[in-house]
Amino acid sequence: AQSVTQLDSQVPVFEEAPVELRCNYSSSVSVYLFWYVQYPNQGLQLLLKYLSGSTLVKGINGFEAEFNKSQTSFHLRKPSVHISDTAEYFCAVSDSGNQFYFGTGTSLTVIP
Amino acid sequence: DVKVTQSSRYLVKRTGEKVFLECVQDMDHENMFWYRQDPGLGLRLIYFSYDVKMKEKGDIPEGYSVSREKKERFSLILESASTNQTSMYLCASSGRTSPYEQYFGPGTRLTVT
Repeated sequence: AQSVTQLDSQVPVFEEAPVELRCNYSSSVSVYLFWYVQYPNQGLQLLLKYLSGSTLVKGINGFEAEFNKSQTSFHLRKPSVHISDTAEYFCAVSDSGNQFYFGTGTSLTVIP
Repeated sequence: DVKVTQSSRYLVKRTGEKVFLECVQDMDHENMFWYRQDPGLGLRLIYFSYDVKMKEKGDIPEGYSVSREKKERFSLILESASTNQTSMYLCASSGRTSPYEQYFGPGTRLTVT
């Protein structure tokens, strides 16, 4: 079975500062990796995904993530955050497209 | 614009009631999912369906059942609601040609008293 660990439950960061949200997974098979964002009182929205190819993946809203197979990590980064980035971020993994396994989430708070 | 809708944003039910949560998608997607979201636990899969009348158990199916009579609609049923089923319920769908792109509804916050 897959599992996903998001190492930080809360990340406060000042506006225009860089941010990294960490995600590690455990799997014995090839996996596909995802980051989702959830704004208050909304469902989840796909930020970016890694299926194959380049290990550096670019997503919406200026976010990017790097797949590191040897460290089984898929950390999310943004060079300069904005107030509107305040949200809950979820890392997820799937091996089949039928079942997705989500981390416990990281609450990003951008401080003006 | 793709859309997944859920019948209620907020719902309050009493212990022992039968509860229906409805989800409808307009993207002709084959796959549909029900998750519950709890603080500190993330999202956990309850059931999913990859075709009409087909269903598969997820990680936490106990106390729930599902129904998929039409392709666009996936219902989650709590046969006898209990207080430990108080949670946020999220529905999602994905297409067979892009199974890794899940689209989520806005969620239903269910409170069982």
